[in-house]
Amino acid sequence: DAGVTQSPTHLIKTRGQQVTLRCSPKSGHDTVSWYQQALGQGPQFIFQYYEEEERQRGNFPDRFSGHQFPNYSSELNVNALLLGDSALYLCASSFFYEQFFGPGTRLTVL
Amino acid sequence: SQQGEEDPQALSIQEGENATMNCSYKTSINNLQWYRQNSGRGLVHLILIRSNEREKHSGRLRVTLDTSKKSSSLLITASRAADTASYFCATDGRGETSGSRLTFGEGTQLTVNP
Repeated sequence: DAGVTQSPTHLIKTRGQQVTLRCSPKSGHDTVSWYQQALGQGPQFIFQYYEEEERQRGNFPDRFSGHQFPNYSSELNVNALLLGDSALYLCASSFFYEQFFGPGTRLTVL
Repeated sequence: SQQGEEDPQALSIQEGENATMNCSYKTSINNLQWYRQNSGRGLVHLILIRSNEREKHSGRLRVTLDTSKKSSSLLITASRAADTASYFCATDGRGETSGSRLTFGEGTQLTVNP
């Protein structure tokens, strides 16, 4: 079992650009959640996808959007990047209550 | 905003000693989970304790939950240098759907010195 995978590992963008991050859930998991973790802080919930629909959303602006595909994989898109979007972006998959996290994508916005 | 707080923020111990970390939260929960994170990498799931459980063990880990005080503790026994990491507790709210959003604390940075 490959576990949760994310790509890319690292990404450097400039302000105003757009970025797409990808996540493949653990085998058998149908729910994908995305979190943002700033340096030295705990992860913050962005949104969650289930059955290709956004089921819950945290306190993030509309610049953050996502998608879930029929194979349960997911994308996180961020438009009009700001310096403050620099963070570790974590994807978690779940089938029931336990959420398992991927290794994350480190996004740096210059 | 964060659900709660971990205490202490940082903990430094010698190999072989026990490490205890505490977590407090603010709202009623379904479950509480503990995670480990090494050097800004992904979170590793350690243990889940349900709101109707008071104590749970997994290997060298012991987790307690006191819902009346809205607090939990994680005990790592016989610590090893490889246990050096940040530890986070995360809660999901009572009444939420399964696999619901997790709310994290700020974490405890544990350093185990050889």
